Amino acid sequence: DSGVTQTPKHLITATGQRVTLRCSPRSGDLSVYWYQQSLDQGLQFLIQYYNGEERAKGNILERFSAQQFPDLHSELNLSSLELGDSALYFCASSPPGLAARETQYFGPGTRLLVL
Amino acid sequence: ELKVEQNPLFLSMQEGKNYTIYCNYSTTSDRLYWYRQDPGKSLESLFVLLSNGAVKQEGRLMASLDTKARLSTLHITAAVHDLSATYFCAVHPQNTGTASKLTFGTGTRLQVTL
Repeated sequence: DSGVTQTPKHLITATGQRVTLRCSPRSGDLSVYWYQQSLDQGLQFLIQYYNGEERAKGNILERFSAQQFPDLHSELNLSSLELGDSALYFCASSPPGLAARETQYFGPGTRLLVL
Repeated sequence: ELKVEQNPLFLSMQEGKNYTIYCNYSTTSDRLYWYRQDPGKSLESLFVLLSNGAVKQEGRLMASLDTKARLSTLHITAAVHDLSATYFCAVHPQNTGTASKLTFGTGTRLQVTL
């Protein structure tokens, strides 16, 4: 158990809908990262927040957005869902400062199925 | 754009045998990670390599980094069935401050057979 929690574990929804995925980082970690894992695209970095501010952006679609709240939990919002958005979405966190170099700790993931 | 290539993509090996997984990347990096993923599960951190020539070992796994060749290897010694999993390398670009954007390789699915 990495200490990173994600809810829900599974999500089934229909095309065109909107969903919110939630992540709570490890205690003391300031950075939160979102990744998407799918069979055709592999593991892709989406976005990073550091202490409430966006710090790095990857291949995140305009239909997707994220934020990090003052209590450091983060939400990833996916809207106008398409079949191709079906994937495993991971959240990861890392501590501040030089310790951030050691690793990113991954949560259990949310499996999204769009029908 | 940073590209990370792993090979092989799939590796079937017998218990007791040795093998190496390779991870090549295209631009300068200040750290490289190896992760393990069991089917349907999350990613488990194995190693972080921070400098040229770095070598780390844990049990039957040993990782090394050659920043000049932009190459990392994950060597498996005397494989056992419990090592069956998918192994990913992930590369962090150099000099990005607190911005951190890992680029993952395609993964190597390792299957250890009796």
